[in-house]
Amino acid sequence: EAGVAQSPRYKIIEKRQSVAFWCNPISGHATLYWYQQILGQGPKLLIQFQNNGVVDDSQLPKDRFSAERLKGVDSTLKIQPAKLEDSAVYLCASSPTARTRGNEQFFGPGTRLTVL
Amino acid sequence: AQSVTQLGSHVSVSEGALVLLRCNYSSSVPPYLFWYVQYPNQGLQLLLKYTTGATLVKGINGFEAEFKKSETSFHLTKPSAHMSDAAEYFCAVSPNRDDKIIFGKGTRLHILP
Repeated sequence: EAGVAQSPRYKIIEKRQSVAFWCNPISGHATLYWYQQILGQGPKLLIQFQNNGVVDDSQLPKDRFSAERLKGVDSTLKIQPAKLEDSAVYLCASSPTARTRGNEQFFGPGTRLTVL
Repeated sequence: AQSVTQLGSHVSVSEGALVLLRCNYSSSVPPYLFWYVQYPNQGLQLLLKYTTGATLVKGINGFEAEFKKSETSFHLTKPSAHMSDAAEYFCAVSPNRDDKIIFGKGTRLHILP
């Protein structure tokens, strides 16, 4: 079974530029999560999708971050414009069932973003 | 607010020695607790989880953790460290009755030859 795929693996941009990350979850997984992991901290949830609908985006800085999950499969996370403090690893995870407590989340390798 | 505290951002143990990574939590509901491991340049992988029932939970790669409600702890242990255990370990809590989890800051485990 293929795991969660993310691309690119690394990205370096200058502040005020735009960037987009792509995630392909495990086939058949209904729930998709985007996390931000700043160096020295644990992952922080940015947004959660259930199929192609947003379940929780309360931690997403909506003035600069956006995300979509078209057709309930792949997802993209965009930052426009980027700030220095956005430098982090962006992790995508997926889960097979609908908002069940105790679900295992399956993580991709992440995209490491450096904003100069 | 619900949270997880991991004591020690870096822990070093000798190969073959006991591994002990500490985690304390706060939760307003009976907690679900997790340990995830992150190897270099890889995503997080579930080691083990506690939901209900037996308080001693066994996971992959010889790791286990014990839920102690009186101490609000969920420490991770392994009797004998192996070089391949070098990684970052995250304790996490599911504080509500849905699937969201809150991660601790992580503990990087170093294995000394």
